[in-house]
Amino acid sequence: KQEVTQIPAALSVPEGENLVLNCSFTDSAIYNLQWFRQDPGKGLTSLLLIQSSQREQTSGRLNASLDKSSGRSTLYIAASQPGDSATYLCAVGSNYQLIWGAGTKLIIKP
Amino acid sequence: DTAVSQTPKYLVTQMGNDKSIKCEQNLGHDTMYWYKQDSKKFLKIMFSYNNKELIINETVPNRFSPKSPDKAHLNLHINSLELGDSAVYFCASSQGLSGANVLTFGAGSRLTVL
Repeated sequence: KQEVTQIPAALSVPEGENLVLNCSFTDSAIYNLQWFRQDPGKGLTSLLLIQSSQREQTSGRLNASLDKSSGRSTLYIAASQPGDSATYLCAVGSNYQLIWGAGTKLIIKP
Repeated sequence: DTAVSQTPKYLVTQMGNDKSIKCEQNLGHDTMYWYKQDSKKFLKIMFSYNNKELIINETVPNRFSPKSPDKAHLNLHINSLELGDSAVYFCASSQGLSGANVLTFGAGSRLTVL
């Protein structure tokens, strides 16, 4: 049974720092891995999707990596801004479903 | 123009009542979903419809009944509401199944059962 874990559960850093969010999964037989952002009281926004054959994807200041063999993905945020404050969730595409992590709540202090 | 829209955004009701949440997507996607996010922020899939046919039906009480009149709409009806039903319910859609394709989410419907 696929399980997805995100560590840390919460992270607070000063504005301008580079940071890494972690996601691990137990079964390497995945189709893809997606990173989402959730703002308080709002829905989820898809940030990046990495197919199982890919190693990384980039969008602006965001870079997501995927290492299937070790069951890990990281989301790298460069030059963090207060507007990056949100909860970040990773979800693994496995067996035609998305299996979700519990998220990392990120606070960027001005 | 909102891609996935849910109504109502907030719903406060008494135990035992019946309520519905509506969802519509204008993305032309063929698959729609209902998710429940509880107080601990875990997202759990409840139902998935592909071209109006139920394809995923997780362990959900039969008080919850989804209805898909067409592939752009997926409504959620809940009978005999209980305190534990309080949560945020998210509708989502994708082209093809979520395990292989990007999901687009609605803004959520916060249900509070008193």
